[in-house]
Amino acid sequence: DIVMTQTPLSSPVTLGQPASISCRSSQSLVYSDGNIYLSWLQQRPGQPPRLLIYRVSNRFPGVPDRFSGSGAGTDFTLKISRVEAEDAGVYYCMQTTQFPNTFGQGTKLEIK
Amino acid sequence: EAQLVESGGGFVQPGGSLRLSCAASGFTFSTSWMTWIRQAPGRGLEWVATIKEHGSDKWYADSVKGRFTISRDNAKTSLYLQMDSLRVEDTAVYFCARHWVSAFDLWGQGTLVTVSS
Repeated sequence: DIVMTQTPLSSPVTLGQPASISCRSSQSLVYSDGNIYLSWLQQRPGQPPRLLIYRVSNRFPGVPDRFSGSGAGTDFTLKISRVEAEDAGVYYCMQTTQFPNTFGQGTKLEIK
Repeated sequence: EAQLVESGGGFVQPGGSLRLSCAASGFTFSTSWMTWIRQAPGRGLEWVATIKEHGSDKWYADSVKGRFTISRDNAKTSLYLQMDSLRVEDTAVYFCARHWVSAFDLWGQGTLVTVSS
């Protein structure tokens, strides 16, 4: 199974400042079609997860452009350019390159 | 508007069974891969099972293989999860989710399953 490791697990960020979350996979996420099926999800308290980024760097429709994803190989990053109060929650990376699909442990973003 | 609504959760004793349902609306269900994902109280997300558009292929997490069965009825635009031989560690909120470009773009609100004696 592919293990997804996120850092940090908790991140206090000041309103208006940038935030960054890293995600490392235990093996390459490149699928046979050449695509990397790495996505990022946000989960606010009491809500289901919400898709933010798909295939490493593609912003899902409706997601603010302050969110961006990058990476290659086994190292990926989610960045928020300027954190807003509504960004508080837990962020997960996940891979759907192979079964079993696997998630990172989650990173709790706390807004100061 | 595309929507997924789960139902069927509840309280069950270890060894018991439950059948979860996920009613889909607002999109072409019959052309979508569908997945169940669960989240134990205070914990992270865990992929449970996935089914292709016509139900011909299914994949399961090792933790549920042989005990859970994913199925779908495209005529009723519904996804199901039959859960047998339930264990305390199966206690979680169960979400159904739609695949889109191999990511999960649409989620239900979830249904809580509690396994306890």
